[in-house]
Amino acid sequence: DAGVTQSPTHLIKTRGQQVTLRCSPKSGHDTVSWYQQALGQGPQFIFQYYEEEERQRGNFPDRFSGHQFPNYSSELNVNALLLGDSALYLCASSRRNTEAFFGQGTRLTVV
Amino acid sequence: AQSVAQPEDQVNVAEGNPLTVKCTYSVSGNPYLFWYVQYPNRGLQFLLKYITGDNLVKGSYGFEAEFNKSQTSFHLKKPSALVSDSALYFCAVRVLPKAAGNKLTFGGGTRVLVKP
Repeated sequence: DAGVTQSPTHLIKTRGQQVTLRCSPKSGHDTVSWYQQALGQGPQFIFQYYEEEERQRGNFPDRFSGHQFPNYSSELNVNALLLGDSALYLCASSRRNTEAFFGQGTRLTVV
Repeated sequence: AQSVAQPEDQVNVAEGNPLTVKCTYSVSGNPYLFWYVQYPNRGLQFLLKYITGDNLVKGSYGFEAEFNKSQTSFHLKKPSALVSDSALYFCAVRVLPKAAGNKLTFGGGTRVLVKP
């Protein structure tokens, strides 16, 4: 059983560009959450998707948007990249009130 | 609002000695509490959780945690630390019921260094 998979693993983008990160949840999971982890800090909640709708959102600007597909996979889009968006982006999946399982993350570097 | 505090940035322990990583939390409502471990350049790996029931929770790799409602704490413990336990540990909390969503709020992390 594959766990949570994220792609790509590493990405380098230029300031002002747009980026799309992808996540496939663990089999049987229907809820996907995205987190941003800056270097040396704990993960910060970006948003959560369930039944293809954004259900909760953290304190992130509208430049951060997402989508969930009928097969429960999800995308995170970031527009107008800033240097400060450089971080490890983590996807987590869960089902109802079970614990969240995390992917390996996508390391985004903005130059 | 919910918050988690991990008061120690780093914990150093000799191999074979007991390991404790501290966590305190603040929530409005009943908490779900979690511990995750992160190895370099990797995602977070689930260790254990507290929902309800026994205050002492046993998890993976010999780890356990004790929930203390009066002190709003959820300290992670291991009776005998291994060098391979060296990693970054995160405490996290979320609030029931499900209508509140299952957003996790994490502490800042505690780096554990186990020396041979």
